Amino acid sequence: AQKITQTQPGMFVQEKEAVTLDCTYDTSDQSYGLFWYKQPSSGEMIFLIYQGSYDEQNATEGRYSLNFQKARKSANLVISASQLGDSAMYFCAMREGEAGGFKTIFGAGTRLFVKA
Amino acid sequence: NAGVMQNPRHLVRRRGQEARLRCSPMKGHSHVYWYRQLPEEGLKFMVYLQKENIIDESGMPKERFSAEFPKEGPSILRIQQVVRGDSAAYFCASSPPDRGVGAQYFGPGTRLLVL
Repeated sequence: AQKITQTQPGMFVQEKEAVTLDCTYDTSDQSYGLFWYKQPSSGEMIFLIYQGSYDEQNATEGRYSLNFQKARKSANLVISASQLGDSAMYFCAMREGEAGGFKTIFGAGTRLFVKA
Repeated sequence: NAGVMQNPRHLVRRRGQEARLRCSPMKGHSHVYWYRQLPEEGLKFMVYLQKENIIDESGMPKERFSAEFPKEGPSILRIQQVVRGDSAAYFCASSPPDRGVGAQYFGPGTRLLVL
C-alpha cells in the first residue's frame, strides 16, 4: 500500500492566486512528521514546511501553509499568492518513528506550473 | 553553519566502472540517509547510517551497492560495476542524534550518468 499519495501529477495556477496540492498518508505510528519539499529544475530538495503528528495547529511558513486533517490522514499544502518562481515539483513526505526506521517516505510528486 | 554537502555534484561513468559518492552531514548531525531519485519520480530510501554502523539498509540493492559512515570523514555510497539503470540523482540527508521525526536536511545531490 502507498504510504504517501499525491493524486495530482500536474497543476496549473494563475500568478497571484492560491493553489492547494493534495497529499494523503497512511501510517499506524502515533508519532510521525509530515513535510513538503520543493524541487526546482535545478534539482535540489528545498524543505518548505513541517507538521508534527501531535501539533494541533496547522503549520505555516510565509506563503506556505499545511492543512493538516489527522482523522482523514491528509496534509495538503496551500501556497498563497503564487509566484512564477513557485513553478517546480512538490513532494509530500512522511517520517515515521521507531516502527518506520526514522526514514522519510516520499510521494510521487506534483508538478506545479504558475502562469503569468 | 554549512548545510549537507555532497560531492561530486555530477559524475559520469562508463558501464562496469565504480562510482563513489560522498556526503558530509550538517555539523552536529550523526545520522545519514541515502536516497535515490529516478527521473520523474520521488526519492526512494536506500540506507540509514550512524557513525560506524549501518542501521537500516532495506532499500539497498543486494549487489554492487554498499555504504559506510566512518568515524572520521564523510559517508560514502559506493556502486561497483555500474550499469545504465544506475543513472539517477543520489541524495544524502542528515538529522541530529535525537531519533525524532523532525525534518531531514538534504544535500544538493549527485547526478550519476552511466554511459
